[in-house]
Amino acid sequence: GDSVTQMEGPVTLSEEAFLTINCTYTATGYPSLFWYVQYPGEGLQLLLKATKADDKGSNKGFEATYRKETTSFHLEKGSVQVSDSAVYFCALSLDSNYQLIWGAGTKLIIKP
Amino acid sequence: ETGVTQTPRHLVMGMTNKKSLKCEQHLGHNAMYWYKQSAKKPLELMFVYSLEERVENNSVPSRFSPECPNSSHLFLHLHTLQPEDSALYLCASSQEGGGPNYGYTFGSGTRLTVV
Repeated sequence: GDSVTQMEGPVTLSEEAFLTINCTYTATGYPSLFWYVQYPGEGLQLLLKATKADDKGSNKGFEATYRKETTSFHLEKGSVQVSDSAVYFCALSLDSNYQLIWGAGTKLIIKP
Repeated sequence: ETGVTQTPRHLVMGMTNKKSLKCEQHLGHNAMYWYKQSAKKPLELMFVYSLEERVENNSVPSRFSPECPNSSHLFLHLHTLQPEDSALYLCASSQEGGGPNYGYTFGSGTRLTVV
């Protein structure tokens, strides 16, 4: 079945370090791919998305490229800040208007 | 403020209690969702309402009962819960027909503890 696999956390980095959070997917069709972020004590917010192969989503210094050949959508940021500490969720959607397939989330901790 | 408001933020209830979670949005969205978030597990979609009609019910036990009286409000009625139902319950909304590709707006959640 369709699924999303994220790297297990927590990921701990120092401020200004380079970030990569891996996400790979399995899907029978051509999914749209998303990254959501959940800050402590809050709900999830859409961070970025890509709807077709080779698209790059970007927002707030984060970016991810839809790689069909490797079925991946890795999240990257060149220089992280303490305020980026949160849980990051990778997700995909297919034809359904409602169903998102979610990864388990990766907790990111940035130390000053 | 995300545009989706959930109350209460925290709830502790006994297994014999009856309580309700409330979700309210004033974004003009007409699809609303209940999700369950448990530690180290993917988010679980529980219910979907589109134009005030339930369109998905993902094998959720009957001790969870949703209600959508209008496009701005969504409730989750709880009764005779089990300790394993303790989790963060998230409400979300989206524009009907846009769905995931246009992104959901989530509330901050209700942290439920069943004792």
